Amino acid sequence: DGGITQSPKYLFRKEGQNVTLSCEQNLNHDAMYWYRQDPGQGLRLIYYSQIVNDFQKGDIAEGYSVSREKKESFPLTVTSAQKNPTAFYLCASSIDEESYEQYFGPGTRLTVT
Amino acid sequence: ELKVEQNPLFLSMQEGKNYTIYCNYSTTSDRLYWYRQDPGKSLESLFVLLSNGAVKQEGRLMASLDTKARLSTLHITAAVHDLSATYFCAVARGANSKLTFGKGITLSVRP
Repeated sequence: DGGITQSPKYLFRKEGQNVTLSCEQNLNHDAMYWYRQDPGQGLRLIYYSQIVNDFQKGDIAEGYSVSREKKESFPLTVTSAQKNPTAFYLCASSIDEESYEQYFGPGTRLTVT
Repeated sequence: ELKVEQNPLFLSMQEGKNYTIYCNYSTTSDRLYWYRQDPGKSLESLFVLLSNGAVKQEGRLMASLDTKARLSTLHITAAVHDLSATYFCAVARGANSKLTFGKGITLSVRP
């Protein structure tokens, strides 16, 4: 089955630790995205990548880092510099066609205490 | 800066009745998306609207786009409990694939 996987589903970390969230897709999509969702809010774009070995900052990139070494993988690292890391993180991908429709993974809920 | 507003933010619907929810956006765009989110879950794509006057229907939901008014509507026909969820609209920024999301509208269908 084609799709987007994110792991783990739930993640707990202590403040001051870096943590990496996994996102893998087997849809052969060119573009991948990371969003953050806070309770009662819409999604905010953290980083996006339209091609392998290239990525751009989104609206709230501070305290986050990404890499795109393979087409199917786009891991997100939440660093200790991120002041409020507790959130629901969603990865998405899209094929580079006219509609740019984005398909979402199941999400990772990160709790930092 | 593109702003996307959805209203109302919460809507209690009675089963069997019709309702309309709205998505307004602040700058020109010709691509708008509707997503559904169930509690604790990810987003499911509902509609992709790519041009002025576009209308898409799936089951009891019908979405339309008026790019001149910068407005999309999602019409619900004969609401049923299964439609209870949060509905997000997202608007494309410029020529690339970046999206700006609204805050979502939570629909609750009561008997």
